[in-house]
Amino acid sequence: GAGVSQSPRYKVAKRGQDVALRCDPISGHVSLFWYQQALGQGPEFLTYFQNEAQLDKSGLPSDRFFAERPEGSVSTLKIQRTQQEDSAVYLCASSTPPGDSGNTIYFGEGSWLTVV
Amino acid sequence: GQNIDQPTEMTATEGAIVQINCTYQTSGFNGLFWYQQHAGEAPTFLSYNVLDGLEEKGRFSSFLSRSKGYSYLLLKELQMKDSASYLCAVRSHSGNTPLVFGKGTRLSVIA
Repeated sequence: GAGVSQSPRYKVAKRGQDVALRCDPISGHVSLFWYQQALGQGPEFLTYFQNEAQLDKSGLPSDRFFAERPEGSVSTLKIQRTQQEDSAVYLCASSTPPGDSGNTIYFGEGSWLTVV
Repeated sequence: GQNIDQPTEMTATEGAIVQINCTYQTSGFNGLFWYQQHAGEAPTFLSYNVLDGLEEKGRFSSFLSRSKGYSYLLLKELQMKDSASYLCAVRSHSGNTPLVFGKGTRLSVIA
């Protein structure tokens, strides 16, 4: 597609429920990033992939958070046993191939998660 | 550690010029980015600086001083649609590595 696509756009989960958020990056982009953005704050890094390899997951807030990208394209961020503090926008981004100017990161519209 | 500071809020008048400052202390430096984010929307890329100096792109310019750990985004001929959050972000390492973001500056453009 033309841009980074995320689904669902909006998700309301009951506390304790598991959720899965999907990201379809820009075609040809080898790097994929997940960020969490709370209201009025900047995006906070969660994890990133180069192709199917998860190179850094240091930003994942707890072991309830898990991300995968098994075939090096679509990625899923899974949150188990959701809690209210997980309520945020989850942004996915992908990056131009190495060598391109600045390796600019392009964001999707985000998945808005509300845990009630 | 990584620290990126920018003002929380700014207000400016339509047609005027506004400068949004950003200072950073990071473990390394491989480029500074500015993004614009309208409420409820994705951040969109505005500019990239890796060398010292000014990069101009239409009404928007971005400046970098690596020795001072400082950047600014300059918006000229402000329009109401420029009301948004402006995010400063630094890439600490080479290659397609993650950006570290500041908290953003919410700009309100008034008539």
